[in-house]
Amino acid sequence: DVKVTQSSRYLVKRTGEKVFLECVQDMDHENMFWYRQDPGLGLRLIYFSYDVKMKEKGDIPEGYSVSREKKERFSLILESASTNQTSMYLCASSPGTGDFYEQYFGPGTRLTVT
Amino acid sequence: QKEVEQDPGPLSVPEGAIVSLNCTYSNSAFQYFMWYRQYSRKGPELLMYTYSSGNKEDGRFTAQVDKSSKYISLFIRDSQPSDSATYLCATPDRNTGKLIFGQGTTLQVKP
Repeated sequence: DVKVTQSSRYLVKRTGEKVFLECVQDMDHENMFWYRQDPGLGLRLIYFSYDVKMKEKGDIPEGYSVSREKKERFSLILESASTNQTSMYLCASSPGTGDFYEQYFGPGTRLTVT
Repeated sequence: QKEVEQDPGPLSVPEGAIVSLNCTYSNSAFQYFMWYRQYSRKGPELLMYTYSSGNKEDGRFTAQVDKSSKYISLFIRDSQPSDSATYLCATPDRNTGKLIFGQGTTLQVKP
């Protein structure tokens, strides 16, 4: 079974803090993704990566950055957290170069910025 | 207009009912469609996928695509309380490969 794990289930941070969200997959997948999920807005893609050290902006990259130093690990960074970044953050991975179709999700990190 | 639209519900049905969940899409180039199920406080999991038109059946679940009307459906027969979840339809953008998700429909099956 594909396993995607995220470093925290719940996280509370203060405005202005630097926040790191970690994601690890154990199936040697090429592609990894970060989404945020908000009521009424659904899933929105923040960043994705199709190879180590490669990254592409998604639909809402502002205020976020990412890092992929190893194939199995994809980190989302909030340089200076703001209250409007309070959300559920979901990491996903998928196999095959250029094959984004079947994505496997982690359990999510619910981030609250106060 | 969003590329994939889905009524967020919530939809509440009694146990044993047939459930119909639906999405519409705007781009006729979309050919591949998926349904994800998301339980409360969990990440989405791939439930079914279909390619182009027609039906695909898996146990109590049937996915249907009607390309002429740009309409995709997920039917659940003999619904169970364990089917209570949010169901998201999705399709990949052929140019970028990114998944485009509907908003998700929240389903509650009451015992």
